[in-house]
Parts: sequence; structure tokens; C-alpha cells
Amino acid sequence: NAGVTQTPKFRVLKTGQSMTLLCAQDMNHEYMYWYRQDPGMGLRLIHYSVGEGTTAKGEVPDGYNVSRLKKQNFLLGLESAAPSQTSVYFCASTRGRNTEAFFGQGTRLTVV
Amino acid sequence: GQQVMQIPQYQHVQEGEDFTTYCNSSTTLSNIQWYKQRPGGHPVFLIQLVKSGEVKKQKRLTFQFGEAKKNSSLHITATQTTDVGTYFCAGCPIYNQGGKLIFGQGTELSVKP
Repeated sequence: NAGVTQTPKFRVLKTGQSMTLLCAQDMNHEYMYWYRQDPGMGLRLIHYSVGEGTTAKGEVPDGYNVSRLKKQNFLLGLESAAPSQTSVYFCASTRGRNTEAFFGQGTRLTVV
Repeated sequence: GQQVMQIPQYQHVQEGEDFTTYCNSSTTLSNIQWYKQRPGGHPVFLIQLVKSGEVKKQKRLTFQFGEAKKNSSLHITATQTTDVGTYFCAGCPIYNQGGKLIFGQGTELSVKP
């Protein structure tokens, strides 16, 4: 059982480049989340989705877009990467509201 | 700003000493969850508290949820080196019915043998 899988695990981007991070879960979970983790800041919610075809903004959504075209996948896009987006990105999923979150292994992104 | 605050940010203890981290929310939460992240790893769920004033124990770990459902604490008795990591609280604001799960900044625990 793979759980939550993130790709890629590492990436270096140049300022202004775009990329998409993929999160896939095989647990048939309804809710999916994208967080970024920076030293001293904890996990900050970027965007989340409560079901296929729906997305909502989190605490720090600027500079990111997301899509949930299929229930099992949640994509995070950076249209024009900036050095401030250097971070570790975590995807998580939950069966429903107020249930345990399962996290992926994380994606370490560096923007130079 | 961050709705869920955690203190302290860092805690260094000698093995065998106790450890406590505190979590405070600016809004009422429908539940509180606690996670542990080992260095280089991803957060792993520990427990969830739902009821006002609830207390739960897992071996040496004691979790409390405040009466107003705005604060929580995690206490570890007699720390061991295996307790090293960052402990996060997380909750869903009660006003948000859409499942928004907000995390605190975390408390990084180091244990000196």
C-alpha cells in the first residue's frame, strides 16, 4: 500500500521557470492538502481540496495554483518560480474532515 | 497570521527529563491532532482529541484538549532519545466546515543521552 506519493522528490529551478508537483494517494481519500515547510514556520497550508473538482485557498496561496481533476491526484503548480518559494513541500490526504492526515515523503524545491 | 501557535519552538532536555509543548489557537477548534516528524522525515499522526477537556495517554505521552477547545498540550514523561523530533499540533477551525487543517509551528525536541 503506497499511501501518499509525491513526485519529484528533489528539484532545482531557475527563477521564472514553471513546474508542477504531483501528489497521488491510493486510499480513496476525499480531502487533499498542500503544505510548505520552512524553518521556524512549521507547516503552512497552501491550498486544499475537499473532493474531486474542488479546490480552496489556504494560508499562503499566492504564487501557486492547484487542480484536482481526479480524486486520487492533487497537482501543485508554480507558474513563475521565485527564490521565496524555496521550501520543502508536503502533500497530505484525509478520509474526511477531522480525520487522520497521511503525508507524502516531501519534495525539496530550490529556486535559484 | 498563523492561527495556531506553539511554544516553545525548541526544547533541549537531558534523557529522563520531562517535556511539554503547548498549542494555542486564536479560534475555537473542532478537534486537535498531534503529529511527530523525525529529522528528515514527514509528519506522522499520533492522536486526535475531539471533546472539550479531553485527556488521552499513549504510554509516556499525555495529550490534553482545553475546555474552550482553543488550546492543547503534549507532555512526555522521562524522555528517551527515540523521542527526538518535531511535534506539531493541528486543528480544524470550527467556523470552517470545509476541512481546513491548520498546523502550528512545531516544537523541536532534542534529547541528550
